[in-house]
Amino acid sequence: AQSVTQLGSHVSVSEGALVLLRCNYSSSVPPYLFWYVQYPNQGLQLLLKYTTGATLVKGINGFEAEFKKSETSFHLTKPSAHMSDAAEYFCAVTLSGNTPLVFGKGTRLSVIA
Amino acid sequence: GAVVSQHPSRVICKSGTSVKIECRSLDFQATTMFWYRQFPKQSLMLMATSNEGSKATYEQGVEKDKFLINHASLTLSTLTVTSAHPEDSSFYICSAILQAKNEQFFGPGTRLTVL
Repeated sequence: AQSVTQLGSHVSVSEGALVLLRCNYSSSVPPYLFWYVQYPNQGLQLLLKYTTGATLVKGINGFEAEFKKSETSFHLTKPSAHMSDAAEYFCAVTLSGNTPLVFGKGTRLSVIA
Repeated sequence: GAVVSQHPSRVICKSGTSVKIECRSLDFQATTMFWYRQFPKQSLMLMATSNEGSKATYEQGVEKDKFLINHASLTLSTLTVTSAHPEDSSFYICSAILQAKNEQFFGPGTRLTVL
């Protein structure tokens, strides 16, 4: 069975500061990994994904994540936080592109002016 | 391309009534769709897998007689919440598999409130 652990249910950063959201996964096979963002009362927006190949993945809005197999991690980073980044972020894992996702519990990002 | 829609986006109903939620793949065919549920301030949990032309597969703890899933065409899956109760109030999100890209795409979600 696959699982995802997101460390920190709430992260608060100052505007312009580095954003780091942590995600560790458990999978018996090479995983597909995703980060989604959800704004209040809205659906999911895909930020980025890792399937195969390059382990450093760049996504939308300046976010990137690095797949580290040895650490079973897929942390999300952004060099400089914007106020508009305040939202809920979900890390997810799955076996392939056509299997259901297993989501972490989410991390709420607050950005302080 | 690869757009998934849901209808309605919001629904409020009285306890004991039934509500139907539609999930449509607008520009591709999807033999498989997934239904997820998100309770307030919680994560998304898979409810069931919807397969075109066959019975849905439900996750443990999800009542198949309460959450009826019909995947009658390659572009439409419906989730009917029968005899809804306040504890069924949740955000329901579907996703559809685009086989050609080996990727799934999410709908915008339906917020159900049962009074």
